[in-house]
Amino acid sequence: EAGVTQFPSHSVIEKGQTVTLRCDPISGHDNLYWYRRVMGKEIKFLLHFVKESKQDESGMPNNRFLAERTGGTYSTLKVQPAELEDSGVYFCASSQASGRLYNEQFFGPGTRLTVL
Amino acid sequence: QKEVEQNSGPLSVPEGAIASLNCTYSDRGSQSFFWYRQYSGKSPELIMFIYSNGDKEDGRFTAQLNKASQYVSLLIRDSQPSDSATYLCAVRPPYNQGGKLIFGQGTELSVKP
Repeated sequence: EAGVTQFPSHSVIEKGQTVTLRCDPISGHDNLYWYRRVMGKEIKFLLHFVKESKQDESGMPNNRFLAERTGGTYSTLKVQPAELEDSGVYFCASSQASGRLYNEQFFGPGTRLTVL
Repeated sequence: QKEVEQNSGPLSVPEGAIASLNCTYSDRGSQSFFWYRQYSGKSPELIMFIYSNGDKEDGRFTAQLNKASQYVSLLIRDSQPSDSATYLCAVRPPYNQGGKLIFGQGTELSVKP
């Protein structure tokens, strides 16, 4: 069974440009999460989809970030326009069920975003 | 105060020793607790979870939870060089805050041959 995949693995862009990150969750996983790790900081939650609906977007830093999950399959995270402080590693995770105490989230390899 | 705190390390132990990794959390209503291992440049990988007070053992790994002290730990017995990685403590907040995980900064473990 394929794990969580993310594309691209690395992205280097100029400040002010737009970047779109993609995440393909494990097949059959309704829950999809985006997290971000900024240099020297802990991994921080961005948002949570259940199927195509945004369950929790309390971690989204500002309106330059837009996440979508059309059809409840893959998800995209767009940053427009990118700022220097957006640099970091963006992780996607998926899980089968979020309502249980044990809710294993499987993480993808991450996309390393560098904004120059 | 950070929601989840870990010593960043590095923690260095000799091969065969017990490595002890600690984590404290601030929200007393937190539901469940996870330990992830992350090798450099790789994705976090779940190695243990615990939600009841006490100890939970899985092979060389033991997770310990003390909700009264808001403390969770991970013991690695017979440490191997392949255990060298960053260990992330993650906490699931109270139920009404959804399924997100709150991470500590991670503890870097180095096991010396």
